[in-house]
Amino acid sequence: RKEVEQDPGPFNVPEGATVAFNCTYSNSASQSFFWYRQDCRKEPKLLMSVYSSGNEDGRFTAQLNRASQYISLLIRDSKLSDSATYLCVVNLNTGNQFYFGTGTSLTVIP
Amino acid sequence: SAVISQKPSRDICQRGTSLTIQCQVDSQVTMMFWYRQQPGQSLTLIATANQGSEATYESGFVIDKFPISRPNLTFSTLTVSNMSPEDSSIYLCSVGWNRAYEQYFGPGTRLTVT
Repeated sequence: RKEVEQDPGPFNVPEGATVAFNCTYSNSASQSFFWYRQDCRKEPKLLMSVYSSGNEDGRFTAQLNRASQYISLLIRDSKLSDSATYLCVVNLNTGNQFYFGTGTSLTVIP
Repeated sequence: SAVISQKPSRDICQRGTSLTIQCQVDSQVTMMFWYRQQPGQSLTLIATANQGSEATYESGFVIDKFPISRPNLTFSTLTVSNMSPEDSSIYLCSVGWNRAYEQYFGPGTRLTVT
């Protein structure tokens, strides 16, 4: 079983729509959680850290559900510029165990 | 965060040769990592670059194939040795200050082996 699993998509949504991605992780000892955004042929860029209480940054909301071992990312009022691949990252905080999901592809359509 | 640069940004190399990739950070960082991202796939950690000591390699990666140096807190190199077409990939360095915290990535080196 993979450490981190994401629905690869693609998600094709119209501008202004709300879209949500989920990511499940297998190790209950996981401590830190992140969402990264990766544009085509570019490096991943940190979008949000995910805190246990959930956190919001403008149109983006991240949630953590430890009981069900998943994290989510909600994007409201989608913009064309939100089109990218969104990577879920889980860290055990021991050793160097950062685990990356395979990414979820989002295309926002005019 | 930090400003991270990598050299070269891309290269096309012949089978059997070696390429050294440099990663430079504009501030001192605790942790530096090297990743590989093959086309259409997610990131795979190659190793952690340890300052002043041998790198820590992940399963499936060995020092003879991917020697790493980290002479100080702002610089590291990754060498891809005796290259084959299967080594064609994007190689990324990343940096961090604490195991619990986020990592920041360099722009990557796109390697094609012919």
